Amino acid sequence: NAGVTQTPKFQVLKTGQSMTLQCAQDMNHEYMSWYRQDPGMGLRLIHYSVGAGITDQGEVPNGYNVSRSTTEDFPLRLLSAAPSQTSVYFCASRSGTGGSPLHFGNGTRLTVT
Amino acid sequence: EDQVTQSPEALRLQEGESSSLNCSYTVSGLRGLFWYRQDPGKGPEFLFTLYSAGEEKEKERLKATLTKKESFLHITAPKPEDSATYLCAVQAQGTDKLIFGTGTRLQVFP
Repeated sequence: NAGVTQTPKFQVLKTGQSMTLQCAQDMNHEYMSWYRQDPGMGLRLIHYSVGAGITDQGEVPNGYNVSRSTTEDFPLRLLSAAPSQTSVYFCASRSGTGGSPLHFGNGTRLTVT
Repeated sequence: EDQVTQSPEALRLQEGESSSLNCSYTVSGLRGLFWYRQDPGKGPEFLFTLYSAGEEKEKERLKATLTKKESFLHITAPKPEDSATYLCAVQAQGTDKLIFGTGTRLQVFP
């Protein structure tokens, strides 16, 4: 049972480049989300999805797009990378039951130069 | 505005020296309070969920408690392998979102 799998683990981009961070879960969880973690700021919610075909914005959505075509996958797209998007990105999922804990992947460390 | 504040930011303990980590929160109706452990280069690992004031949960050397304004993570006789960053998060009623604190970095040395 792999849980939540994120790829790649590390990525370096130049300003203006685009890329997609991949996230897959094998727990049949309805809820999936993307967070970024920056020193001294804690985990901040970027986008989330409560099921296939349904997405919504979190606290810091600007510069990021998401889609949810299947239950298993929830990719995060950076449209035009900026240095301010240098961060560690975590994907997390949970069952649909309210109050259930999030299960996190091991993150993607992104550097934008 | 929903908010989570953790203290201290960092804590150094000698092996066997018990202590507590604090998580203060303000939320418009608590649905759940969560504790996570995060090791360097890894994603947060779930420890406990607390739902109502007075509730307590235990796991090995860790015990989490909850009041209407704060939660404590008590660490009894810690070992070096307990060194990690401990994160607290809250979920408000009627929302799917978790609000995270900035964490307490715990170091336990022999």
